[in-house]
Amino acid sequence: DVKVTQSSRYLVKRTGEKVFLECVQDMDHENMFWYRQDPGLGLRLIYFSYDVKMKEKGDIPEGYSVSREKKERFSLILESASTNQTSMYLCASSRASSYNSPLHFGNGTRLTVT
Amino acid sequence: AQSVTQPDIHITVSEGASLELRCNYSYGATPYLFWYVQSPGQGLQLLLKYFSGDTLVQGIKGFEAEFKRSQSSFNLRKPSVHWSDAAEYFCAVATNTGFQKLVFGTGTRLLVSP
Repeated sequence: DVKVTQSSRYLVKRTGEKVFLECVQDMDHENMFWYRQDPGLGLRLIYFSYDVKMKEKGDIPEGYSVSREKKERFSLILESASTNQTSMYLCASSRASSYNSPLHFGNGTRLTVT
Repeated sequence: AQSVTQPDIHITVSEGASLELRCNYSYGATPYLFWYVQSPGQGLQLLLKYFSGDTLVQGIKGFEAEFKRSQSSFNLRKPSVHWSDAAEYFCAVATNTGFQKLVFGTGTRLLVSP
């Protein structure tokens, strides 16, 4: 069974801090994604990566960056956390081969910025 | 740009009753359509998907969905709801980008009454 693991379930950070959210998948998937989930807004794509060291901006990349140094790990970085980045963050992965490969999601990290 | 509309924020259904969750999409070409479910405290799990062919697709947990091109809809149905179906349901559309970038709707929260 595919497992996508997000390192923290809950995180509380102060405004201005640099924040790292970590995601690891164990199925050798090429694609990895970071979404944020907010009530009434659904899921919005922040960044995605289709290979090691490759990254593409999603719909809301402002205030975020990412790092993918190894195939199994995809990190989301908040360079200077702000209160409007308080949200649920979901990591996902998928195989690149075809549309028949669904997204596999982690259980999420609920980040609160105070 | 593609978009997904889920017009119902909340729906309450009695246990044993039938269920229909609405989803409308906006996309010029043939869409790739998905339904995901998110149980409390969990990530998202794929229920079913439509790529082509038979417009009625079967998924896990007894769910089905029907693609209607003329109505730009992909409604999710279940003939008899169980208490364990209480969750949030997301409709999503993918385009022919090759990287499975999904655009999600805002979600419908299903409540099941005894």
